[in-house]
Amino acid sequence: GAVVSQHPSRVICKSGTSVKIECRSLDFQATTMFWYRQFPKQSLMLMATSNEGSKATYEQGVEKDKFLINHASLTLSTLTVTSAHPEDSSFYICSAPPGLAGGTHTQYFGPGTRLTVL
Amino acid sequence: AQKVTQAQTEISVVEKEDVTLDCVYETRDTTYYLFWYKQPPSGELVFLIRRNSFDEQNEISGRYSWNFQKSTSSFNFTITASQVVDSAVYFCALSGPSGSARQLTFGSGTQLTVLP
Repeated sequence: GAVVSQHPSRVICKSGTSVKIECRSLDFQATTMFWYRQFPKQSLMLMATSNEGSKATYEQGVEKDKFLINHASLTLSTLTVTSAHPEDSSFYICSAPPGLAGGTHTQYFGPGTRLTVL
Repeated sequence: AQKVTQAQTEISVVEKEDVTLDCVYETRDTTYYLFWYKQPPSGELVFLIRRNSFDEQNEISGRYSWNFQKSTSSFNFTITASQVVDSAVYFCALSGPSGSARQLTFGSGTQLTVLP
């Protein structure tokens, strides 16, 4: 199956700092990637859709100025949590459906990034 | 709007028992896709199955089987002869037909614990 990587896998930062999380598709290209957030013992909630070559689409209630998304290439999307606060502590997971135009409907998930804000 | 309901929050079984995880969905799309994912304690999501709305055939893969009933909007997952390694959170998910609709709507998950 297709492989998606995330870096870092775990990060601890101080309140007020910014953290960048990378999501890479290793063996396929993806025009679209999705960012999800999962709080402890809860389900995954879509935060935003990352689109290569255009602006990201954010879900209702997600602050676009706080969660900056850049889809730099067909294999890389980054999520930057700006001025992080303890309530931003969560498990962030990206996913990518292989394909350049629609493509397969099976999504492959990265291993996730556990963010802890002190 | 799409919605996925997994009414079972937690299930405990003893090893070798069969267990069924329920999933009920709501969607206005005529074409849609249903998924099951496993999330072990490490957190990484493991893809188990994808089913499109036009394929109501049940599927079996080893100890896993899936029962898709379009009439009741259900996509249940059965593990036969459960093993301790099956302990994980299982998510049922739904996506739309194409484009940005491919994002997944997840159910709340079912924590399965298989006791030795």
